[in-house]
Amino acid sequence: DGGITQSPKYLFRKEGQNVTLSCEQNLNHDAMYWYRQDPGQGLRLIYYSQIVNDFQKGDIAEGYSVSREKKESFPLTVTSAQKNPTAFYLCASSRLGLETQYFGPGTRLLVL
Amino acid sequence: GENVEQHPSTLSVQEGDSAVIKCTYSDSASNYFPWYKQELGKRPQLIIDIRSNVGEKKDQRIAVTLNKTAKHFSLHITETQPEDSAVYLCAARGGGTGNQFYFGTGTSLTVIP
Repeated sequence: DGGITQSPKYLFRKEGQNVTLSCEQNLNHDAMYWYRQDPGQGLRLIYYSQIVNDFQKGDIAEGYSVSREKKESFPLTVTSAQKNPTAFYLCASSRLGLETQYFGPGTRLLVL
Repeated sequence: GENVEQHPSTLSVQEGDSAVIKCTYSDSASNYFPWYKQELGKRPQLIIDIRSNVGEKKDQRIAVTLNKTAKHFSLHITETQPEDSAVYLCAARGGGTGNQFYFGTGTSLTVIP
């Protein structure tokens, strides 16, 4: 999992502002994922992508957007439409098929 | 879609005792079940996994069992140590083509020295 990086480690968002979280992997994994983790809850899927230029909504996609222009990169934008964005955001990647996911170190998003 | 439930939400054991965490899933087509350990503020780390064609898997003090008929799988930690204290997350890979994983809500394990 050392091949997955996320930045920044902490991010502060002002009201009405869009912010973008970075996720990069050098593992040559096809699939990439974004999860949100709130205290006392498990990981909830925001978006995932199995191939470049294609992605699917997860269970809580509202207020978020993604792009997959390169295999190595899967940035997540938290838009102003997301009214409760404070959470720990985790990016993951995996090979397709029966392969587990490996996680990046996470980004903690806080609202000012 | 898949629904994964995890119990208990918190678990305290004495050092040296065993700990068992159980997860149930709803989609009989789910075929892969990893377990992660997550320390406070850190990323989840894979500790063991099991595929649907296997009933049990062991790795030193850690084991996972799978009951496909009852649709549940369990994590067993023997001879617990204080460094085992963490949040443990179970997951199930859905049986569809989306390669989507569904996570339980986590178990906070505390090992008391």
